[in-house]
Amino acid sequence: DTGVSQDPRHKITKRGQNVTFRCDPISEHNRLYWYRQTLGQGPEFLTYFQNEAQLEKSRLLSDRFSAERPKGSFSTLEIQRTEQGDSAMYLCASTLLAGEETQYFGPGTRLLVL
Amino acid sequence: GENVEQHPSTLSVQEGDSAVIKCTYSDSASNYFPWYKQELGKRPQLIIDIRSNVGEKKDQRIAVTLNKTAKHFSLHITETQPEDSAVYFCAAESGNTGKLIFGQGTTLQVKP
Repeated sequence: DTGVSQDPRHKITKRGQNVTFRCDPISEHNRLYWYRQTLGQGPEFLTYFQNEAQLEKSRLLSDRFSAERPKGSFSTLEIQRTEQGDSAMYLCASTLLAGEETQYFGPGTRLLVL
Repeated sequence: GENVEQHPSTLSVQEGDSAVIKCTYSDSASNYFPWYKQELGKRPQLIIDIRSNVGEKKDQRIAVTLNKTAKHFSLHITETQPEDSAVYFCAAESGNTGKLIFGQGTTLQVKP
């Protein structure tokens, strides 16, 4: 499979629990982006990596959110002490550097916080 | 801050008619403008994109136009088909980070 993959596809958790999502980008893609999409809205930028370096974080990303890309390949997004307002679809996208701006999206992880 | 406005929010057309969706953006440094189609429960799929060095791009039934001076761009779908029914998002790249600022989406319904 040469596309962007995400795991899990669905997650139901109770308020206050921690959750972690994984994204595997397209092989050799240098940039990896995380977005959040709520029902009826467009995706909102959360953060992005160039190789293993996290270069920008949105103000949407509170200190309960942390993302890593330790070896410049897959990335994880962790949400600590989840709140009901965190319920959303979390999308990952990747792109090749050097002028190739096209972002390819993964299928997303749908999070429901009860 | 960076912003992309998209109109209309819903659009219903008869099969075979044309559909037009319009977006405006605020970041004058934006140089890349993709359009994504998202079906219910699925990932956004790129359908066409345009860079700031061209004013129009066409791919079969889909075309996009860009007016950098006015900071707006539009998606045109001709000879619409029921399978074109989906939510369409425009986006603008912010600065040189590659991050995309998305519009609010347009739900297109093509009636057979």
